[in-house]
Amino acid sequence: AQKITQTQPGMFVQEKEAVTLDCTYDTSDQSYGLFWYKQPSSGEMIFLIYQGSYDEQNATEGRYSLNFQKARKSANLVISASQLGDSAMYFCAMRTNNAGNMLTFGGGTRLMVKP
Amino acid sequence: DAGVIQSPRHEVTEMGQEVTLRCKPISGHNSLFWYRQTMMRGLELLIYFNNNVPIDDSGMPEDRFSAKMPNASFSTLKIQPSEPRDSAVYFCASSSGITGSYEQYFGPGTRLTVT
Repeated sequence: AQKITQTQPGMFVQEKEAVTLDCTYDTSDQSYGLFWYKQPSSGEMIFLIYQGSYDEQNATEGRYSLNFQKARKSANLVISASQLGDSAMYFCAMRTNNAGNMLTFGGGTRLMVKP
Repeated sequence: DAGVIQSPRHEVTEMGQEVTLRCKPISGHNSLFWYRQTMMRGLELLIYFNNNVPIDDSGMPEDRFSAKMPNASFSTLKIQPSEPRDSAVYFCASSSGITGSYEQYFGPGTRLTVT
C-alpha cells in the first residue's frame, strides 16, 4: 500500500525567505512519481511540480524545487523567495505503476507567508 | 486550452434530494477522477475512469453514490438520496500519459451543501 506523510500541519515563513515543506512516502514499488499541488483559499488545486523515481536530477519549476532523497523516501518541496501569494495549503501526492493512474495524497501543510 | 470544467460550482439541496455533478475533462485526456474533500477526511478518491471505463470505485462511500462516463468528454457523479454528511467539495480531475508523468489537472470543484 502507498502512503504519503506530511508532518507539518502549518508553517510560517517571512516574505522573501525560502521555505521547505516536508513529505515522506512509503511504497514497495520501484517505479513511482511524486507530485506537489497548491490549494489557495479560493479552493482550486494547482499542479506545481513532478519528480519521477528514476529521475537523477531534482525537479525545478521556477521558484519551486523538489528535494528528492530516494534512500530516505522523502520529496520535500522548496519554495524560494516566498511571496504573499504563496500562502496556501500544499499537498504532496504519489503515483505508482502498480496503482495505475491513481494518486495518493498526504494530509497537507498550510503555509502562511508573513509580510 | 480550457481546463477541467465542473458544474454547478455551488449546490445547496435538501436531504433526500437527488444531486448530479457534472464534469468535462481536458480534451485528449483519457483518465478521469472524482474526489471529495472535507476538513475531517481530507481529499478522498471516489472513483476513476480510464478510457471511459470505471477502473476503481472502491472509494465510493455507498450505493447512494454512482458515477458514469458515457463518452470521453463528459462524466457525472450522482448522489441519491443526498444526506447532510455528503456536504463537501467535489473535484473532478483528468490526466493523460502523454508526458509520462500522469499529473492530474483539477477542475474548480463543486461545493455541495445538503441541509
